[in-house]
Amino acid sequence: DAGVIQSPRHEVTEMGQEVTLRCKPISGHDYLFWYRQTMMRGLELLIYFNNNVPIDDSGMPEDRFSAKMPNASFSTLKIQPSEPRDSAVYFCASTLTGGSDTQYFGPGTRLTVL
Amino acid sequence: TQLLKQSPQFLSIQEGENLTVYCNSSSVFSSLQWYRQEPGEGPVLLVTVVTGGEVKKLKRLTFQFGDARKDSSLHITAAQPGDTGLYLCAGEKAMRFGAGTRLTVKP
Repeated sequence: DAGVIQSPRHEVTEMGQEVTLRCKPISGHDYLFWYRQTMMRGLELLIYFNNNVPIDDSGMPEDRFSAKMPNASFSTLKIQPSEPRDSAVYFCASTLTGGSDTQYFGPGTRLTVL
Repeated sequence: TQLLKQSPQFLSIQEGENLTVYCNSSSVFSSLQWYRQEPGEGPVLLVTVVTGGEVKKLKRLTFQFGDARKDSSLHITAAQPGDTGLYLCAGEKAMRFGAGTRLTVKP
């Protein structure tokens, strides 16, 4: 299996622009998670889905952030408009169940907002 | 609010030394996980502990879950340069992560 795939790997944009991050989970996994990692705040859970349905979005920092999962093999995290403080590495992860099973993380997207 | 506190934040040691890093919380967790993250990559799960007092071994790594399920430790014996990385603990099924211990093992 190719593992969790994220694109792009790097994104540089200017403040105010829309940014879309993409994730393809491991086939057959029914939970998908989006995280953000910064030096100051560490790794934070933003939102997670079960069977394509958002279950908990309490970690989404502001209304500028939105996430969708139109089907079992694709999810997006959108920031509109982007701000410099959104600069971080964004990870997507998937797991077979929501319990203590192994979460498989993607390689991350490094976002820089100028 | 950081529910999981990891210490030390940074650790630099020589190859062959032993070390212990800690993960502490005031909350009780049903399970706790340890991950290792290398630069430019996502975290990789090392172990999950679920029972108070549980000890798990993974080659030179020994993980312990506190009796009260509020804390955990990771001990590495005879550290090697390949152990270098960011060690993260996570509770609540990876919903909450500690800030991590950044370990450097010098040859």
